[in-house]
Amino acid sequence: NAGVMQNPRHLVRRRGQEARLRCSPMKGHSHVYWYRQLPEEGLKFMVYLQKENIIDESGMPKERFSAEFPKEGPSILRIQQVVRGDSAAYFCASSPGGVRVDTEAFFGQGTRLTVV
Amino acid sequence: GEDVEQSLFLSVREGDSSVINCTYTDSSSTYLYWYKQEPGAGLQLLTYIFSNMDMKQDQRLTVLLNKKDKHLSLRIADTQTGDSAIYFCAESRSNDYKLSFGAGTTVTVRA
Repeated sequence: NAGVMQNPRHLVRRRGQEARLRCSPMKGHSHVYWYRQLPEEGLKFMVYLQKENIIDESGMPKERFSAEFPKEGPSILRIQQVVRGDSAAYFCASSPGGVRVDTEAFFGQGTRLTVV
Repeated sequence: GEDVEQSLFLSVREGDSSVINCTYTDSSSTYLYWYKQEPGAGLQLLTYIFSNMDMKQDQRLTVLLNKKDKHLSLRIADTQTGDSAIYFCAESRSNDYKLSFGAGTTVTVRA
């Protein structure tokens, strides 16, 4: 049973381009969470999605960021018109269900986005 | 300031004990966690403790919680080279899926 898969592992974008980060949850998991880690800071919650639904996007920047988790395929975190301040590690986690995240959440390796 | 703080680096000799410290600010934190990230891998949950406990032991790992001071520590006994990793402290409230993480402590085990 493969773990949470994120790709790409590293992504370089020029300012103004779009970045698409993908997350395939563990088999049987229908809940996905995205976190962002800025340099020398802790991971910060961004968004919580279930299949075809955004449950909580309270941590998402108001502009340029969007997330989806379609019925088929991976969850996508999309950043439009990237700026240098978007450079960070983006982590995805998944769980089989429910709102409790204790022993049930599994994290991916992260995607390191660098904006040049 | 950050909600969860921990020192960034720790160097320890193989066979010694490692102690990683963490402080948090949210008095309503109910669950406190330690995650481990090895090079090239995702974060792996090591252990967690409920806020009504003050200690939890699991083989080589001992978690101590001082709720009054909002201080959490992870002790690794007989540290091995395989323990070299980044260790993240995190907290959440009861029934809240949002975790608040510290910046991570990079533990380097030297021979």
